Amino acid sequence: GAGVSQTPSNKVTEKGKYVELRCDPISGHTALYWYRQSLGQGPEFLIYFQGTGAADDSGLPNDRFFAVRPEGSVSTLKIQRTERGDSAVYLCASSLIPGSDEQYFGPGTRLTVT
Amino acid sequence: GENVEQHPSTLSVQEGDSAVIKCTYSDSASNYFPWYKQELGKGPQLIIDIRSNVGEKKDQRIAVTLNKTAKHFSLHITETQPEDSAVYFCAARSGGSYIPTFGRGTSLIVHP
Repeated sequence: GAGVSQTPSNKVTEKGKYVELRCDPISGHTALYWYRQSLGQGPEFLIYFQGTGAADDSGLPNDRFFAVRPEGSVSTLKIQRTERGDSAVYLCASSLIPGSDEQYFGPGTRLTVT
Repeated sequence: GENVEQHPSTLSVQEGDSAVIKCTYSDSASNYFPWYKQELGKGPQLIIDIRSNVGEKKDQRIAVTLNKTAKHFSLHITETQPEDSAVYFCAARSGGSYIPTFGRGTSLIVHP
């Protein structure tokens, strides 16, 4: 594809429900990053993958959040027992190699927990 | 960890004027400073970056300056155009990390 894609673009869910957010990185990019962006804030790091493995998950706020990248390409961010405070835009980015200067961001998924 | 402060939060200019956005960082080990532009409904896009071994970098109408001693860096946009209107984020990354820390963003509005 031409860039990083994320689905869905918008997700509205009720408090307590489970959600999955999908990221398709640029083909061939080995590094993949998830960020969360609250209104009026910059992106905040959640988790970073090198290939299939999570190289750094220190940004995940608690054990309700989990992410996978089983084949080293598509990644899914999973949030259990959603809370209203989880409402934010979830951004995915990829880079050709780990540590590469340019991270290419997707358009994000806007999650609203009611 | 790294802390990045960004000012102003909102900047309104007339078309053709210059715009300056300033950031400070806390970690002296940071050595890479990218700037991103985020348009409504889109993800951030890298527009320019600078490394700690350089004091200034230019790319057409945009330039970045870095003062390592004072731990601050700035984005300068000259001859602003309405299409420059967006939210701009600065970020800092240390040599031992792959993850940048972002500022809170500056909403730039360029009036025609």
